[in-house]
Amino acid sequence: GAVVSQHPSWVICKSGTSVKIECRSLDFQATTMFWYRQFPKQSLMLMATSNEGSKATYEQGVEKDKFLINHASLTLSTLTVTSAHPEDSSFYICSAHISGRGETQYFGPGTRLLVL
Amino acid sequence: DAKTTQPTSMDCAEGRAANLPCNHSTISGNEYVYWYRQIHSQGPQYIIHGLKNNETNEMASLIITEDRKSSTLILPHATLRDTAVYYCIVRPRDSAGGGADGLTFGKGTHLIIQP
Repeated sequence: GAVVSQHPSWVICKSGTSVKIECRSLDFQATTMFWYRQFPKQSLMLMATSNEGSKATYEQGVEKDKFLINHASLTLSTLTVTSAHPEDSSFYICSAHISGRGETQYFGPGTRLLVL
Repeated sequence: DAKTTQPTSMDCAEGRAANLPCNHSTISGNEYVYWYRQIHSQGPQYIIHGLKNNETNEMASLIITEDRKSSTLILPHATLRDTAVYYCIVRPRDSAGGGADGLTFGKGTHLIIQP
């Protein structure tokens, strides 16, 4: 099956710093990538949809200036949490979509962010 | 996307079949039933999907009722590694243009396999 990787797998940072998370599709080209966030004991929540070469579409309530998404190639999307605060601590998961595949989305292993 | 209802949690003995129900009474004709699972602290994993016929793959079987208002995911011989949260999601398949929308996850069913 298709493989999606994320880097880093976990990160601890100080409040006010920015953190970049990478999402790569390793053996396929993804026309669309998605970013989700999951708080403890809650379900995944879609943050944004990212299409290669165009601006990301953010879900209601997600600040686009705080969560910067870049999808410069068909195999790489990045999420930058700018000026992170403790309330941004969460599990961030990306997924990649291949057009024409029944499963629609392949998920990465997630990145756990802890902001002190 | 149509709303789904799943039990909050279920137990199953190791080696037995695990049957996870999902109610989707408002499903529309172009919507598929997808199942994903999430093992603790990992990203979700695709299991299976179907439209109206029963489906089987190496992981599981999907039984969809004739009226399509409910379905059951069957793990034929559950192992301890099947302990996870299982999500039933109803949504249209890829759009005609080949695009896709993000998935809407409910609370899912926490399946616990007992030794």
